Amino acid sequence: SQQGEEDPQALSIQEGENATMNCSYKTSINNLQWYRQNSGRGLVHLILIRSNEREKHSGRLRVTLDTSKKSSSLLITASRAADTASYFCATDEGAQKLVFGQGTRLTINP
Amino acid sequence: DTGVSQDPRHKITKRGQNVTFRCDPISEHNRLYWYRQTLGQGPEFLTYFQNEAQLEKSRLLSDRFSAERPKGSFSTLEIQRTEQGDSAMYLCASSLGGTASEQFFGPGTRLTVL
Repeated sequence: SQQGEEDPQALSIQEGENATMNCSYKTSINNLQWYRQNSGRGLVHLILIRSNEREKHSGRLRVTLDTSKKSSSLLITASRAADTASYFCATDEGAQKLVFGQGTRLTINP
Repeated sequence: DTGVSQDPRHKITKRGQNVTFRCDPISEHNRLYWYRQTLGQGPEFLTYFQNEAQLEKSRLLSDRFSAERPKGSFSTLEIQRTEQGDSAMYLCASSLGGTASEQFFGPGTRLTVL
């Protein structure tokens, strides 16, 4: 079963705009990770945020975590066509495996 | 390229045939994971190894599925008597382990069962 749910399921924006994706999960976590997947390819790790962190930045990415609401958000600023992909949040379960949401399909229009 | 390789990248087989996939993790990673992903869904955990020991298997892993990691390095995933419902992307990942460990994913093997 899948732990998280991403919202929205699909997002289409113009190049240069910011994209925000949300993730909700059900159980207590040690950390939450965001991954990107280009069509038909493997997953690429973007960022990991620990349960005692509230916000983390990496380049054009900003991730927030609210453990009281069991939710996280991923913000991509100044989007580029190359950001077109599916984005997944994943939570750890006992540090042995990742439980993924269904993903947000992001399309950046030139 | 994450450093994790999988072979083959694509496999088409007829229902009832056996298939085997291989994963080569990053050499210093002691944990290796298998996931399955169907169209429009996120990956779902199948099983994982700590070195050569298989420590957890999902209930998704029916008795037709078997995975090995004989020397704690590469791993194989075999599906016997394939069914059309086995059609999916099979993803392998590796990590150093620990409580906050990033997993590095391979490109996946796409299985189509006719």
